[in-house]
Amino acid sequence: SQQGEEDPQALSIQEGENATMNCSYKTSINNLQWYRQNSGRGLVHLILIRSNEREKHSGRLRVTLDTSKKSSSLLITASRAADTASYFCATVRETSGSRLTFGEGTQLTVNP
Amino acid sequence: DAGVIQSPRHEVTEMGQEVTLRCKPISGHNSLFWYRQTMMRGLELLIYFNNNVPIDDSGMPEDRFSAKMPNASFSTLKIQPSEPRDSAVYFCASSPMLPDLAYGIQYFGAGTRLSVL
Repeated sequence: SQQGEEDPQALSIQEGENATMNCSYKTSINNLQWYRQNSGRGLVHLILIRSNEREKHSGRLRVTLDTSKKSSSLLITASRAADTASYFCATVRETSGSRLTFGEGTQLTVNP
Repeated sequence: DAGVIQSPRHEVTEMGQEVTLRCKPISGHNSLFWYRQTMMRGLELLIYFNNNVPIDDSGMPEDRFSAKMPNASFSTLKIQPSEPRDSAVYFCASSPMLPDLAYGIQYFGAGTRLSVL
């Protein structure tokens, strides 16, 4: 079964707006990662946040992690049409070694 | 670096035929993963290898599916016999082994889109 659940399932915004996606998970984790998938392509790693971190930035991306609530959020600032893609959170459980467990994804559409 | 290479990109076959999907991981990566993606079930881990050894195949749907990794640069996923419900996109991913074994960043291939008629 999927470890993560993303919210919302779909998000449509205008170019320049910020996009926020949320992810919840069920078990203790070592780290949480976000991936992007463009239509017809493989997944691409965006950012990783460890369980002892609360916030991380990479360019226009900001990720937060709340281990007490078992949740994470991905914020994309100043969105562009090229950000249109599906976004997945994935967790590495404390006991799973290198195995990732993916959520169901959020489909983001950025309208020009 | 060419990234993870999968072949073929598209495969159309008839029910009952054998299908073999191929994957070349990134050189130097020690872990290899096979996933299946469908609209209904999302992204499912089928099996993964560490240093060419299968570690967890609990996601393999049934005995019709088998995977091998004869060396560090090649893996296959075979379906025999194939069924229409096997239609999906199959991804291969590889991951480097770092001092922190739980780091887990994976690099995905472009996928093989399988259609079983």
